[in-house]
Amino acid sequence: DGGITQSPKYLFRKEGQNVTLSCEQNLNHDAMYWYRQDPGQGLRLIYYSQIVNDFQKGDIAEGYSVSREKKESFPLTVTSAQKNPTAFYLCASSISGTGTPPLHFGNGTRLTVT
Amino acid sequence: AQSVSQHNHHVILSEAASLELGCNYSYGGTVNLFWYVQYPGQHLQLLLKYFSGDPLVKGIKGFEAEFIKSKFSFNLRKPSVQWSDTAEYFCAVKVPVYSGAGSYQLTFGKGTKLSVIP
Repeated sequence: DGGITQSPKYLFRKEGQNVTLSCEQNLNHDAMYWYRQDPGQGLRLIYYSQIVNDFQKGDIAEGYSVSREKKESFPLTVTSAQKNPTAFYLCASSISGTGTPPLHFGNGTRLTVT
Repeated sequence: AQSVSQHNHHVILSEAASLELGCNYSYGGTVNLFWYVQYPGQHLQLLLKYFSGDPLVKGIKGFEAEFIKSKFSFNLRKPSVQWSDTAEYFCAVKVPVYSGAGSYQLTFGKGTKLSVIP
């Protein structure tokens, strides 16, 4: 079955460490996205990529970095510069272009930094 | 920047009551509009979408939404809610960004929690 796989489901890190969240899709979608979900804040866009080897900052990119070396993979690194990294992180994908189907979401990774 | 406003943070209803969740967006151009639902412990799922045509769109599980362009609104409705509708609902707007051809951004509202009391 096609879908988006995020791993791990739960991740714990010490403050000051960088951590990378995995996102893989086998939907052959061009576009991939990272959102952060906080209680009462909804979903906020961190980074998105419309095509391989290209990505754009979203609304809250500070303290995060991404890469898009392969179409099916879009890992997110939460750096030590991110002031409030504890959150639920959602990866999504879609076909690019006008009238594209809406985003497909992964099951998310809950990151806790202490 | 585009924004999406969901006016109700938490709505509590009894079963069989009617539901209307408000959603307003700020963007003057052509938009695609969505409602997503997140049931407890589950991932986000698409409830319904509007791209063009009939402004009244039907979604899954008896939900519908009406696009009113003059009011920049896309309110979600259901005539009679069930306990199983307890979830968080997110309105989203897909708008083009001009950093590259075919680039789009999806902006979400902050969500509305719906609690249905049996």
